[in-house]
Amino acid sequence: DAGVIQSPRHEVTEMGQEVTLRCKPISGHDYLFWYRQTMMRGLELLIYFNNNVPIDDSGMPEDRFSAKMPNASFSTLKIQPSEPRDSAVYFCASRRQGRSNQPQHFGDGTRLSIL
Amino acid sequence: QQQVKQSPQSLIVQKGGIPIINCAYENTAFDYFPWYQQFPGKGPALLIAIRPDVSEKKEGRFTISFNKSAKQFSLHIMDSQPGDSATYFCAASGTAGNMLTFGGGTRLMVKP
Repeated sequence: DAGVIQSPRHEVTEMGQEVTLRCKPISGHDYLFWYRQTMMRGLELLIYFNNNVPIDDSGMPEDRFSAKMPNASFSTLKIQPSEPRDSAVYFCASRRQGRSNQPQHFGDGTRLSIL
Repeated sequence: QQQVKQSPQSLIVQKGGIPIINCAYENTAFDYFPWYQQFPGKGPALLIAIRPDVSEKKEGRFTISFNKSAKQFSLHIMDSQPGDSATYFCAASGTAGNMLTFGGGTRLMVKP
């Protein structure tokens, strides 16, 4: 059974460039989450979707960040323009509808480096 | 501000020892407390979780102890093994389990 799939696994780009991170959730999962992990701030929830609709984006750091979920099997997190402080590991996670005993399943992340 | 404070930041134990990781929270609306395990280059994976209506939950060698009045919970790993070497995160959320607030993480090393 395939888990959450993220691409690319690594991304190195120059400041000012547009960056697009991709996520394929587990089939049948109704919720999708985007997290950012840094040494300084730990794991932070950026945004989450339910049935492809954004529910809470209060963790999105600023307008340079945007996320979409055009269908149940695909989501993107876009940074435009990128800055060195955006360097981090970005995780996507998904879970089934239901109470909290349905765990969030994480992908292996995209390690983003902005030069 | 919703926060979960985790300690220690790092921990080294000998094989067979019982590492204990502690977390404290402020928000009394938190209703779900999972622990995640993360290996290098991988995403976090759910290890064990507890709700505040019980004081202890055990799954294999992993035990969560929960103190609702003190707003604290902890993870104990019995008979720790080198394969348990990883970073452990506590987290908390409301009943729905969606908006997880994570602790800062504990890097555990179990020496052979």
